[in-house]
This record gives sequence, structure tokens and C-alpha cells, in this order.
Amino acid sequence: RKEVEQDPGPFNVPEGATVAFNCTYSNSASQSFFWYRQDCRKEPKLLMSVYSSGNEDGRFTAQLNRASQYISLLIRDSKLSDSATYLCVVSRGYQKVTFGIGTKLQVIP
Amino acid sequence: SQTIHQWPATLVQPVGSPLSLECTVEGTSNPNLYWYRQAAGRGLQLLFYSVGIGQISSEVPQNLSASRPQDRQFILSSKKLLLSDSGFYLCAWSTRLNEKLFFGSGTQLSVL
Repeated sequence: RKEVEQDPGPFNVPEGATVAFNCTYSNSASQSFFWYRQDCRKEPKLLMSVYSSGNEDGRFTAQLNRASQYISLLIRDSKLSDSATYLCVVSRGYQKVTFGIGTKLQVIP
Repeated sequence: SQTIHQWPATLVQPVGSPLSLECTVEGTSNPNLYWYRQAAGRGLQLLFYSVGIGQISSEVPQNLSASRPQDRQFILSSKKLLLSDSGFYLCAWSTRLNEKLFFGSGTQLSVL
């Protein structure tokens, strides 16, 4: 079983829609969780950290469920500029940072 | 503010040729440094990380090597490239005890 699993998509959604991605992790000792955004042929960029209490940044909401070992990312009111690949990241310390393969989002006009 | 520079952006090399990719970080000291590779359609694979000058940890056995000759400089090398070395190579840094990674702009390597 992979340490971090994501649905690669693509998710094709109309502008203005709400879309949610899930990511599951296998190691219960995982401590820190993040979402990164990666545009085609570009480097990944940190989107947000994920906390147990859930956290929000504008149209983006991240949730962590430790009991079920998954994290989620919710994007409200999708914009064309949200089109990208979203990488789930799970960490057990700086030397054990694992990236998922990413979920591709395409927002359609 | 901290910045990370990685070059070159694109590289086409014949099989069997050597490789040297360089990465430098500015605006911070004692960073953790990382080399990742992203093959087409696959996730990021950690190749090497370093917590200090001359300290290199390898995650995957391969024909690549890494060196850290200065605190903020990280170099990825190979003596003889293989076709399977093709991919998108990314350098990243983090603060010493933080897992948030900040990436360079990447090098697209094509081995022909």
C-alpha cells in the first residue's frame, strides 16, 4: 500500500462550482500535513497546512481526520486560475516528507 | 526573504554523459536541502537530503550523487547518465525543524 494515496483525476468542474479532493495516508505516526499546488511544468508551491481543527484560507478549506487517516481540500467558487494539480503531503519529520501523485483539476468556463 | 535558485531550467544530455545540477538558497542559514525527481505521471521521489555541510542522506540507490560544499549550496551529479534518469528535478529547502518545503523552479532533464 502506498504511504499517500490520491485520486489522480482529472476533475473537470465548471467555473463557480465547489470541488473536494481527498487523500489517504497509511502511517498513523504521521505528524504534519500539507496541500501543495503544482502548475504544469512548474515547481510545487505550498498552498496550506492542514490542522486537526480544520483551517480555511479564502475559498480553500482543509480538513484532517486522524481516526480515518485522510485529509481533504475543499475549493469553493472555482476559478479558471485554480486549474492545476493538487499534491497531498504527509510528514513524519523533515526526513520523511511524502508526496502523493497529485489530483488534477481543470476548471471549465 | 528567502529565495532558492536552481539551474539550468532545461537540459538535454546523451546517455553516458555526466551531469551537474546546482541549487543555491539565499536569505537563510543552516537550511535542510533536498533533491527530488518527478517522472512523467508520477509523484515526487526524494533522492537526497542534507542537514548540513558534507552531510548527505540518500533515499534511493542509483547512479546519482549529491554534495553540499557550502551551507546554502546543493549539487546533484552523475558520472554517466542513463535513459531512466530523465525527469523533472527539483531542489527544495526547509528550516531545520520544519517540514514545509520550498522548491526551486526545477530542471527538466531529457537523456537521449
